[in-house]
Amino acid sequence: AQSVAQPEDQVNVAEGNPLTVKCTYSVSGNPYLFWYVQYPNRGLQFLLKYITGDNLVKGSYGFEAEFNKSQTSFHLKKPSALVSDSALYFCAVRDGDTGKLIFGQGTTLQVKP
Amino acid sequence: GAGVSQSPRYKVAKRGQDVALRCDPISGHVSLFWYQQALGQGPEFLTYFQNEAQLDKSGLPSDRFFAERPEGSVSTLKIQRTQQEDSAVYLCASSPTGPTEAFFGQGTRLTVV
Repeated sequence: AQSVAQPEDQVNVAEGNPLTVKCTYSVSGNPYLFWYVQYPNRGLQFLLKYITGDNLVKGSYGFEAEFNKSQTSFHLKKPSALVSDSALYFCAVRDGDTGKLIFGQGTTLQVKP
Repeated sequence: GAGVSQSPRYKVAKRGQDVALRCDPISGHVSLFWYQQALGQGPEFLTYFQNEAQLDKSGLPSDRFFAERPEGSVSTLKIQRTQQEDSAVYLCASSPTGPTEAFFGQGTRLTVV
């Protein structure tokens, strides 16, 4: 069965510092990996995806993620955090047959001024 | 509107009442998904449509849950005889064909009292 794990419930960083939100995956075959962000009382907004190609994927709002096959990881990163980045972040893997997404439990990012 | 639209945004139902949640996907999107998100959790897959065909309903928690997409566009998720454990945010997402990202609506928050 395909799954993703987000080992941190919460990540705290100071504004201007780099941030990392961790995600590891378990899939059979080639993984299709995604990061979404959720603000309070809002739906999920797509940030970036890895389908194939370069291991470093660039996405919206200055976020990027590094696909690491040997470590089965897909960590989300940003060089300089903003207070407005504070939100709930979800990593997900796509089921190859149906396209449904299997989500991690989410990581709350808190960026303090 | 270019995005996925869900209605109502909020629904309060008395236990035992039937409810219907509507999803208007992005025009032309073949795939439509319903997810259930409990408080503080990641979204959990409920069901998947490809056009009007319901190809996967493995995530529906009980036979009280029913979804349809009769003309391959708008979809309705119906919950009969609501129970308190049905309280959650119900998210709809649509996507074109292929390994691309899904676009989410803002969700319907269902509270069963």
